[in-house]
Amino acid sequence: QKEVEQDPGPLSVPEGAIVSLNCTYSNSAFQYFMWYRQYSRKGPELLMYTYSSGNKEDGRFTAQVDKSSKYISLFIRDSQPSDSATYLCATSTDSWGKLQFGAGTQVVVTP
Amino acid sequence: NAGVTQTPKFQVLKTGQSMTLQCAQDMNHNSMYWYRQDPGMGLRLIYYSASEGTTDKGEVPNGYNVSRLNKREFSLRLESAAPSQTSVYFCASSVGGSLMNTEAFFGQGTRLTVV
Repeated sequence: QKEVEQDPGPLSVPEGAIVSLNCTYSNSAFQYFMWYRQYSRKGPELLMYTYSSGNKEDGRFTAQVDKSSKYISLFIRDSQPSDSATYLCATSTDSWGKLQFGAGTQVVVTP
Repeated sequence: NAGVTQTPKFQVLKTGQSMTLQCAQDMNHNSMYWYRQDPGMGLRLIYYSASEGTTDKGEVPNGYNVSRLNKREFSLRLESAAPSQTSVYFCASSVGGSLMNTEAFFGQGTRLTVV
């Protein structure tokens, strides 16, 4: 069993809708949680990272962590066609630790 | 992905051949990493270098060797390629010891096929 599970999608939404992405993890020692965006044929880029439980907001993006359920989420409000990409979640036990990545969810935002 | 340059972008190898994937960064970063990305598996760390002169194994180091040639360059070598090494390889660098910061960047990847 992989330590971080993520639905591969694709998740197709109309422009302007809210995109909801989720990951589950198995290791309760994970303390740091990250979301990366990866456009086709490109390397991943860090969107957001959070420590422990709670919410973090950055513009149209909101990351949520529920450590009791071992569940992390990313919400994209007012989605745009330019948000079409694969979104990867990642976790780590500490700020210097190695990252465990999910397999990624492909998102398609249709005009 | 300005700042991290990988060469080549595409490569086809025959089983048993060797090759070196090159990575260079111009951001004066201390840490550099090599990942492979396979469908359904996510990114997996092969090797990393926390600073010039040091290298450490990651999650899937078997079949690979690395060299931190200087602060800018971190190469990945396949001595005897196998079909299981067909993957997309990403190099990354960061200013600190972790990719968990906004000053961490990935290259555009090398798509390797071993036949």
